[in-house]
Amino acid sequence: ELKVEQNPLFLSMQEGKNYTIYCNYSTTSDRLYWYRQDPGKSLESLFVLLSNGAVKQEGRLMASLDTKARLSTLHITAAVHDLSATYFCAVLPTSGTYKYIFGTGTRLKVLA
Amino acid sequence: SQTIHQWPATLVQPVGSPLSLECTVEGTSNPNLYWYRQAAGRGLQLLFYSVGIGQISSEVPQNLSASRPQDRQFILSSKKLLLSDSGFYLCAWSPDRRSTYGYTFGSGTRLTVV
Repeated sequence: ELKVEQNPLFLSMQEGKNYTIYCNYSTTSDRLYWYRQDPGKSLESLFVLLSNGAVKQEGRLMASLDTKARLSTLHITAAVHDLSATYFCAVLPTSGTYKYIFGTGTRLKVLA
Repeated sequence: SQTIHQWPATLVQPVGSPLSLECTVEGTSNPNLYWYRQAAGRGLQLLFYSVGIGQISSEVPQNLSASRPQDRQFILSSKKLLLSDSGFYLCAWSPDRRSTYGYTFGSGTRLTVV
């Protein structure tokens, strides 16, 4: 069974702190996507990671991909309240499927 | 540029009533189209996807159906809604299977079945 697991599921952190969200997947894949969802809203694309070792950064967020370990990380640096949201990773298996496999999501709350 | 439209934004329907949600994409041709459902506080469940007109793949047995009558139009329907059909419905598109941009999601429809 194809699985994409995110850890932690819930994260409450203080402003100014650093933390990492992990996305582990069980299938062979060479591309991984991160999305952000604000409460009551749709998903917006954050990062697209297309190869082993890919690293992307936008503001206080940095995402990386290790296809050999089947692991992606989303690192938060000096968190601010505006980063409070739910973050999803999604994997496209190399098997030829058209379906992205989404992780369970990590609900992040940054406390002022 | 490409845009995706989804409507209505919110819907309250009684149990047993029909449903029709519509999604259209502009500025591209032959997109891959997807319908997802998200229960409150939960993850995403893929319901249907389509890689071309009239081509629909169903992911879970359920009370819903999908159709793609035109290249850039994707419709989610039900003949009789159940309470369990409540949720946040998201349409998404991608230009091809291995898009470097991933999915782009519509703004969603929040359906409450009462």
